[in-house]
Amino acid sequence: QVQLQESGPGLVKPSETLSLTCTVSGGSISSYYWSWIRQPAGKGLEWIGRIYTSGSTNYNPSLKSRVTMSVDTSKNQFSLKLSSVTAADTAVYYCARAEVYYFDYWGQGTLVTVSS
Amino acid sequence: EIVLTQSPATLSLSPGERATLSCRASQSVSSYLAWYQQKPGQAPRLLIYDASNRATGIPARFSGSGSGTDFTLTISSLEPEDFAVYYCQQRSIPFTFGPGTKVDIK
Repeated sequence: QVQLQESGPGLVKPSETLSLTCTVSGGSISSYYWSWIRQPAGKGLEWIGRIYTSGSTNYNPSLKSRVTMSVDTSKNQFSLKLSSVTAADTAVYYCARAEVYYFDYWGQGTLVTVSS
Repeated sequence: EIVLTQSPATLSLSPGERATLSCRASQSVSSYLAWYQQKPGQAPRLLIYDASNRATGIPARFSGSGSGTDFTLTISSLEPEDFAVYYCQQRSIPFTFGPGTKVDIK
């Protein structure tokens, strides 16, 4: 059974960089697309971007200037960096797997709060 | 960016009733639409992909239909565990989700 687990700081200061890692267990990270999706409290879902195991990426244009994703296949991990954060970036951040387009496995989510 | 709208925002029904949820796209997405279920404190779960295909392990009471810009998720007879928020998602980059429909107990 594939499992995804997000990890990283739960509190980030304004203007700093949010960094999260997703560890994949129970299956290979290869040959899938790996996404980050976020959800502010009480609100809907926003796709941040995805990375393929080759390292190719697609980012949401609304966040593209601040987002960097990377993958480490040797560790079965992929990562998100979001720079220059503000309070508007406070949300639950999910990592998720897709064969191509639809998300069939999700992490449990991790709350990241942006506050001084 | 393709914008998805969902209606109604809230659907109040009793167990055993039929639920019909709507998702409309701002432009045609062909049949490339998925539905997810999310319960409080949990990640979303994939129910339907490509408009009408049930994901692995999803009960037959969930069905999807539609193409182009108008889509429907139907739950034929609501079970207690079906009361949740439902989101649609289209697969053109950037992927976008609808704002959700909450199905609550009447």
